[in-house]
Amino acid sequence: DAKTTQPPSMDCAEGRAANLPCNHSTISGNEYVYWYRQIHSQGPQYIIHGLKNNETNEMASLIITEDRKSSTLILPHATLRDTAVYYCIVSPNTNAGKSTFGDGTTLTVKP
Amino acid sequence: SAVISQKPSRDICQRGTSLTIQCQVDSQVTMMFWYRQQPGQSLTLIATANQGSEATYESGFVIDKFPISRPNLTFSTLTVSNMSPEDSSIYLCSVFGSARNEQFFGPGTRLTVL
Repeated sequence: DAKTTQPPSMDCAEGRAANLPCNHSTISGNEYVYWYRQIHSQGPQYIIHGLKNNETNEMASLIITEDRKSSTLILPHATLRDTAVYYCIVSPNTNAGKSTFGDGTTLTVKP
Repeated sequence: SAVISQKPSRDICQRGTSLTIQCQVDSQVTMMFWYRQQPGQSLTLIATANQGSEATYESGFVIDKFPISRPNLTFSTLTVSNMSPEDSSIYLCSVFGSARNEQFFGPGTRLTVL
């Protein structure tokens, strides 16, 4: 799996958009970008994934650059409950692909 | 989606003993994954457990220390053997959903070794 680089920590004001960047310059053509988050004392939770097009779901939006070497996870209106560690992972989209977790970004949403 | 439960949720154990962690999934899955998360760290994959075959271990993890069973398509166990304080971690099991797009994780087992 390609490696990812994320800032170790970020702060965001409650109600504002949180933009979490991820670099994955060695991503392969068959690898997807996945985002998970881990709230304290819980298992990681899937947020969103994409290949090359931007994606949006009820939780977040994922913006992938045209060269696919980086991406940004956007939480449009951050709440205090979004405080968590966010992991960006690149992996083939198959059952045989297991996720390799980097260090992630600790997002702290402040009132 | 897949719902995963783990037992125990937490335990405090003495050095030199062993603990077996159970993972139950609410649907049949081909592969189950076991991860370790040391305090303040990210997740590290220990092994992949396939039903009907031996588990495949990642570099740095061996079967003697972390024996795994996979008796059927919904259940697996991970044993942490001859524990030392360095084994104090959260142990999580994980599966892929039927759509194969996302990984689901159990709530984890928090192990403290004294």
